[in-house]
Amino acid sequence: KQEVTQIPAALSVPEGENLVLNCSFTDSAIYNLQWFRQDPGKGLTSLLLIQSSQREQTSGRLNASLDKSSGRSTLYIAASQPGDSATYLCAYHGSSNTGKLIFGQGTTLQVKP
Amino acid sequence: GAVVSQHPSRVICKSGTSVKIECRSLDFQATTMFWYRQFPKQSLMLMATSNEGSKATYEQGVEKDKFLINHASLTLSTLTVTSAHPEDSSFYICSSPSGRVSTDTQYFGPGTRLTVL
Repeated sequence: KQEVTQIPAALSVPEGENLVLNCSFTDSAIYNLQWFRQDPGKGLTSLLLIQSSQREQTSGRLNASLDKSSGRSTLYIAASQPGDSATYLCAYHGSSNTGKLIFGQGTTLQVKP
Repeated sequence: GAVVSQHPSRVICKSGTSVKIECRSLDFQATTMFWYRQFPKQSLMLMATSNEGSKATYEQGVEKDKFLINHASLTLSTLTVTSAHPEDSSFYICSSPSGRVSTDTQYFGPGTRLTVL
């Protein structure tokens, strides 16, 4: 069964902290993994995509890593800001190459000023 | 990045009526579009995959006669919820890979909030 688990489910931190969001998956043969941001009542914004052959991707204050062997990915947010408050979802494409994304339930982040 | 729009953003309807949701790719041709549903405080669940010019592929447990999908052009896919009931109330989101490969980065629409009274 394809499952994605995100820990923690919710996180509240003061502004300026560096933080790590965790994502674990059971499918060892993933094609790629993508991190998204979702603001309340809104659609998803793609943050980073990591191919199965890559170990990490960086964009600004965001860094995502991927360890296929252990079935884990982490999203590192440096120097967090109140504007980072949102729900962060990880999702992967399985090896079946159908384009279907398997989503985790997300981590809801609140960054307090 | 690629832009995907959805219309309407919010709809309230009476039980038993049908509701059509449009998903458009604004600056690229979307050969494939995916339709997801998201219940409150839950993650996205894929409902179906639509391919331009062919029948949609539905995920297990999704009624194809209730959720009608049409993908008649490379920039438009529609989802029609037929004979809607309160349990169909949800957030519906479409997405499409901007590239030719279905596993490319996916771009999501802003979603449609459906409330069935």
